[in-house]
This record gives sequence, C-alpha cells and structure tokens, in this order.
Amino acid sequence: EADIYQTPRYLVIGTGKKITLECSQTMGHDKMYWYQQDPGMELHLIHYSYGVNSTEKGDLSSESTVSRIRTEHFPLTLESARPSHTSQYLCASSEWDSHPTNTEAFFGQGTRLTVV
Amino acid sequence: TQLLEQSPQFLSIQEGENLTVYCNSSSVFSSLQWYRQEPGEGPVLLVTVVTGGEVKKLKRLTFQFGDARKDSSLHITAAQTGDTGLYLCAGNRDDKIIFGKGTRLHILP
Repeated sequence: EADIYQTPRYLVIGTGKKITLECSQTMGHDKMYWYQQDPGMELHLIHYSYGVNSTEKGDLSSESTVSRIRTEHFPLTLESARPSHTSQYLCASSEWDSHPTNTEAFFGQGTRLTVV
Repeated sequence: TQLLEQSPQFLSIQEGENLTVYCNSSSVFSSLQWYRQEPGEGPVLLVTVVTGGEVKKLKRLTFQFGDARKDSSLHITAAQTGDTGLYLCAGNRDDKIIFGKGTRLHILP
C-alpha cells in the first residue's frame, strides 16, 4: 500500500475562493508530481519537483502554484478558483534513482474538485 | 505530440475473451510501466519492463517489451469483469514520468 495521502478527497467551492490541495508522502521520495485528469481521460502533468525548493511547471499550463518546503509535503494552491478548474487532481511521488526499475510512481487517491 | 501512443483508446469485450492493447513510441525508453486505474482512484503499478524482448506474466496478464524498447503490449487472457479499468503505459523522459492517454477497457458480463 502506497504511503501517499491527499486531502480533501472531494471539494466543492465557489468561484473566486482560494484553495490548497494537500499531498503528503512518508516514503522519503525526492520526486513529486501533480497531475490533472478529467473523468476517464488522460493524465496531464501540471507540476513536478525534484526535491526541497525545486518546482517546475509540467506539460499542461495551469493557473495553480506549488511549493516544496519539506520533502514529504507538496501542496497545490489555486488563488482564485474558477469553474474551468473543475477536475480530479492526482499527486504522485517516486524515487530519485536512475535505475529503470526504481521509477515507479505511487499515487494518492486524488482530490475531486468542483468549482461552482 | 504524444510521446506514448496507446491503442485502442476504448475496448469493450465479453467476459472470457482475450485482448491485447498496445503502447507505442518513436523513442527508446530504458523501461516502460503499465498502470491500472479504477474510477475515483489513482493509478496503481502493474509491472515494469526493462529489457528489450522481455515478457512478464501477472496471472492472466502478459506484458511484453519490444526488442527495440520503443513499444510494449499487454495481453489479457480470459478477461473478467474485474479487469475493467483504464490501462496506462508510462515511461521516464527527462527525469519525469510521462503517461500515454490510456486504453479504457470494459469487460461485459
């Protein structure tokens, strides 16, 4: 069982509100990722981090921001939520290891965000 | 441009039938991974293939890595309704894990 946790699981919020989606892992992984996924659709990488104080934008442009102050914690923030932000947000982590068998991504259960 | 192309995008078959889904790329990968995702959950790793030509079996699931390490296939024998889900292939590129769009598999009872 993966030791990566996301809260909340579900969030319904009004337009214009600021929200933070939490992601924590207890595996000591250096790499962490945020993916956005609409129901039944592909995963889009929106942010990733190689370690503390490292954050990079992913392949899909997103109005969200992330921070990595501690290894285990990688929160995602939306300053002003809009209905277009409605989606599922998945957090993942993996080891920093060049060996190809050690690149497994462990996922949290996701946060389903609805902006009304 | 999608680095990992998966086909078919959707597949709906009767329980008991066999099926194969594919993951193709024009690039060489040091390894490819297959994940399964059920509704409302995050993807879970099924297998990692590393060596060109490698075949791995996981009960009724058989995974193969192409000789040139550019493609992979997943074959399911005697599909069961519990196999229903989104099957994603993934690879490491520029120190990031990238995913294909997935094959949505629906097994009919």
